[in-house]
Amino acid sequence: AQSVTQPDIHITVSEGASLELRCNYSYGATPYLFWYVQSPGQGLQLLLKYFSGDTLVQGIKGFEAEFKRSQSSFNLRKPSVHWSDAAEYFCAVGAIGGTASKLTFGTGTRLQVTL
Amino acid sequence: DAEITQSPRHKITETGRQVTLACHQTWNHNNMFWYRQDLGHGLRLIHYSYGVQDTNKGEVSDGYSVSRSNTEDLPLTLESAASSQTSVYFCASSETGGSPLHFGNGTRLTVT
Repeated sequence: AQSVTQPDIHITVSEGASLELRCNYSYGATPYLFWYVQSPGQGLQLLLKYFSGDTLVQGIKGFEAEFKRSQSSFNLRKPSVHWSDAAEYFCAVGAIGGTASKLTFGTGTRLQVTL
Repeated sequence: DAEITQSPRHKITETGRQVTLACHQTWNHNNMFWYRQDLGHGLRLIHYSYGVQDTNKGEVSDGYSVSRSNTEDLPLTLESAASSQTSVYFCASSETGGSPLHFGNGTRLTVT
């Protein structure tokens, strides 16, 4: 069964500082990997996705993530955080193939940005 | 613009009552999903559907049911609401296998 671990429940960074959110996955084959962001009272918005090819993936809002198969990781990064990035971030893994993108989500990392 | 709409946004009900949460999407997606979000658990899959007349159980399906009579709608029914079902419920849809999910804004359900 597929699973996702986000080891950091809560992270605080200063505005302008760099950010890295960790995600480790467990899956028997090559997975689809996603990062979503959730603002308070809202649904989840897709930041970026990895299916295959280049292991460094660019997303919206200046985010990027790197797929490392040897470490089963898909960490999210941003070089300079803005106050508006404060939100909850979810990593998700899905199965390649099949008829639907049935995703398994991590428990989330809440990002706080200090000014 | 296409969207996915959940109603109501907030619902308070009593233990033992039947409750139905609505989900309507205008993406024309075949795949639809219901997740619940709880602190410390992230999002957990309740039920999903690959198309009309198709429904499948997710990892936390006990006490919930869904039906898919058309492409646009996947209502979620709590047969007899329990306090453990107090949660935020999200509906999502996707186009094909591996496609990203599009989420609604959620329904906050409180069972007293």
